[in-house]
Amino acid sequence: EIVMTQSPATLSVSPGERATLSCRASQSVSSNLAWYQQKPGQAPRLLIYGASTRATGIPARFSGSGSGTEFTLTISSLQSEDFAVYYCQQYNNWPRWTFGQGTKVEIK
Amino acid sequence: EVQLVESGGGLVQPGGSLRLSCAASGFTFSSYSMNWVRQAPGKGLEWVSYISSSSSTIYYADSVKGRFTISRDNAKNSLYLQMNSLRAEDTAVYYCARDLTMVQGVPFDYWGQGTLVTVSS
Repeated sequence: EIVMTQSPATLSVSPGERATLSCRASQSVSSNLAWYQQKPGQAPRLLIYGASTRATGIPARFSGSGSGTEFTLTISSLQSEDFAVYYCQQYNNWPRWTFGQGTKVEIK
Repeated sequence: EVQLVESGGGLVQPGGSLRLSCAASGFTFSSYSMNWVRQAPGKGLEWVSYISSSSSTIYYADSVKGRFTISRDNAKNSLYLQMNSLRAEDTAVYYCARDLTMVQGVPFDYWGQGTLVTVSS
């Protein structure tokens, strides 16, 4: 099983600031990496797939980068609606999809 | 508009059974592979099971293999998860989720709102 490790567990950021979230895979997943956003009481929402492609309707302030084992999700200027938990997911080792444990982005 | 609506969750005793349903609308259900993903209270996401568009290919996580059965009825635009021999560690919100594209090995672009399964005596 490919283990996905996210850091930090919690990120405290002020509105308007930049947030950088990391995700590391225990072995290469190529660019088969997705990011999801989840707000309390809601289902996850797909933000990024293919490591860097924004899903339909996702604002340009969200960007993804990386390949192999190291990935980054950047939110360029945090809006109030962006405070949530973010998960990375590898889908290279199909059908053994695995998720990271999540990074909570909270208001500083 | 794509919609996925789960139902069938509830409280069940250890060793019991439960059948979850997911009603799909707003897209050609028969063209997409579907999944069940669960989330234990306060925890992260765990993929549970996959079924291809024609039901010809099915996969399970090791944690549920032999106890859970995924199925679908394309005529009814519905996805199911039959859960038997339930354990306390199966307690979670269960989401149905659609594959992003019709290609195999992709992430999930639409998710239902989830249904809570609680296994407790």
